[in-house]
Amino acid sequence: GQNIDQPTEMTATEGAIVQINCTYQTSGFNGLFWYQQHAGEAPTFLSYNVLDGLEEKGRFSSFLSRSKGYSYLLLKELQMKDSASYLCAAMDSNYQLIWGAGTKLIIKP
Amino acid sequence: GAVVSQHPSWVICKSGTSVKIECRSLDFQATTMFWYRQFPKQSLMLMATSNEGSKATYEQGVEKDKFLINHASLTLSTLTVTSAHPEDSSFYICSARVLAGGVYEQYFGPGTRLTVT
Repeated sequence: GQNIDQPTEMTATEGAIVQINCTYQTSGFNGLFWYQQHAGEAPTFLSYNVLDGLEEKGRFSSFLSRSKGYSYLLLKELQMKDSASYLCAAMDSNYQLIWGAGTKLIIKP
Repeated sequence: GAVVSQHPSWVICKSGTSVKIECRSLDFQATTMFWYRQFPKQSLMLMATSNEGSKATYEQGVEKDKFLINHASLTLSTLTVTSAHPEDSSFYICSARVLAGGVYEQYFGPGTRLTVT
């Protein structure tokens, strides 16, 4: 079956760094997406990885290891506005997104 | 670019009535749109995949006669919740898939919060 695993909740301190892990099992693979979702709002696109390695985009970076079925989202210099849920999604061979349950990130001052 | 709009953003209706939600891709054509439902503190649940000009593909457990989906053009898909009941109260989100630079990307509308009284 297809499955995405990510931690339910994480807590970090403002100004710090946090890494949110995601493991996936899909029928075929066409990339790994990370989305940010604030409470009561729709998800917004953060990053896409299809090749192994690290993609850096400002304070956010995303890493992929296809052989391990593993990805992480790295958030640096955390700000209070980064408090949100972070959704990991893998695209399968039919180009359908398989969603994780999301990781709620709580930022403390 | 890649903006998806949804209307209405919120709606309150009485039990037994029908509600139509529109999803539009504003600056691109989307051959495929998706409809999701999200209950509080839960992840997105895919309801159906909508392809322009053909019937929608519904996920297991989603009643196609209750959730009518029409994808009449490359920029518009509609979801009609028929004979709504309080348990249909949820956050409904559409998204559109676009092929950009050889990669499929998926963009979300702002969502529609439906409350059935």
